[in-house]
Amino acid sequence: GAVVSQHPSWVICKSGTSVKIECRSLDFQATTMFWYRQFPKQSLMLMATSNEGSKATYEQGVEKDKFLINHASLTLSTLTVTSAHPEDSSFYICSAPLGQPQHFGDGTRLSIL
Amino acid sequence: GIQVEQSPPDLILQEGANSTLRCNFSDSVNNLQWFHQNPWGQLINLFYIPSGTKQNGRLSATTVATERYSLLYISSSQTTDSGVYFCAVVSNFGNEKLTFGTGTRLTIIP
Repeated sequence: GAVVSQHPSWVICKSGTSVKIECRSLDFQATTMFWYRQFPKQSLMLMATSNEGSKATYEQGVEKDKFLINHASLTLSTLTVTSAHPEDSSFYICSAPLGQPQHFGDGTRLSIL
Repeated sequence: GIQVEQSPPDLILQEGANSTLRCNFSDSVNNLQWFHQNPWGQLINLFYIPSGTKQNGRLSATTVATERYSLLYISSSQTTDSGVYFCAVVSNFGNEKLTFGTGTRLTIIP
């Protein structure tokens, strides 16, 4: 069964709205979680590493003020896309290591109108 | 950072055919995974294979870590095998961060 749960699966909202995506580890604790983004017909690119109890680490080129990450507990990380615009429309997916291999959520398809 | 290239980028085959997908990486790794991304975007874990050979039904994979490549074999292809296949690696200096390859889009024709 699934070991990482991600919600929501789909979000459609107006430009300027902030959107929160949740990533939960099921039945295990994850001090680290990862957030990826995938544009149509492209590969997955790491956006940031979410660290429980401390600041997230962002990859080069990812705006930390636009993509807010909170990892307030050992089983939950959230990604908030603030003031979303059409160019933020993408597929966002999280992962959590449970030893090896890494396990992924089912992803969130975000469409900004 | 580590570079991960997959070939071929696109592959169209008749149902029942066999295929080999390749993943080349530029540095030593301590994790390599193969995924199948279905049309809904879900990443299906196929293999965790940082070295050696594994088989699971019609699928098998081999990683030659010293030569920095991995191969995914699909035998007797079915239409449900269609989708995008990714390999992803963690370099020995990568701190658990997975770097995804460029992907191979496989289309199986009935």
